[in-house]
Amino acid sequence: NAGVTQTPKFQVLKTGQSMTLQCAQDMNHNSMYWYRQDPGMGLRLIYYSASEGTTDKGEVPNGYNVSRLNKREFSLRLESAAPSQTSVYFCASVRDNGINQPQHFGDGTRLSIL
Amino acid sequence: RKEVEQDPGPFNVPEGATVAFNCTYSNSASQSFFWYRQDCRKEPKLLMSVYSSGNEDGRFTAQLNRASQYISLLIRDSKLSDSATYLCVGSNYGGSQGNLIFGKGTKLSVKP
Repeated sequence: NAGVTQTPKFQVLKTGQSMTLQCAQDMNHNSMYWYRQDPGMGLRLIYYSASEGTTDKGEVPNGYNVSRLNKREFSLRLESAAPSQTSVYFCASVRDNGINQPQHFGDGTRLSIL
Repeated sequence: RKEVEQDPGPFNVPEGATVAFNCTYSNSASQSFFWYRQDCRKEPKLLMSVYSSGNEDGRFTAQLNRASQYISLLIRDSKLSDSATYLCVGSNYGGSQGNLIFGKGTKLSVKP
């Protein structure tokens, strides 16, 4: 059972470089999310996609873009990485955004920006 | 922003102890709540769902008090393996940013 798969698991970038974080789910879920987690800050929502073809900003969208490529895949792009974007990034999915269901998480991407 | 607040801890308890975490929420329209467990450097994993007044699963009991807008998680007979951060999560009913609101977590350390 793959669930939510994130790639890569680790990445080190230099300031100004660009990179795309990949996320795929095999649970036929409609809604997908990108979070970042920093010490003492908890999970903060970057962007989400309630359904295929839609994306919306979360709490901390600046410096990021997303693409909902199809129902399975939701990617997060850093166009010009900054040290403040050093964090652990989690992708999550749920059957539908509006219902009271728990989200399922991938195992994270640890990103360091030098 | 609709908040979910938790005591960050850490809670340091001996093995075998009973420990309780409380969580308060501000969105009175929230219908569902969840407790997630997160191990160090790992992803959050669902521990328990709370849809009505409470839920029990082995050593873990969750209780919901809608009048006072708080949820609790009770862990009985703590094990070393219970050491983790516990996230309180509420449904973001009526919100525009995803379906769930996450607390920042309460850290538990169970000692031998």
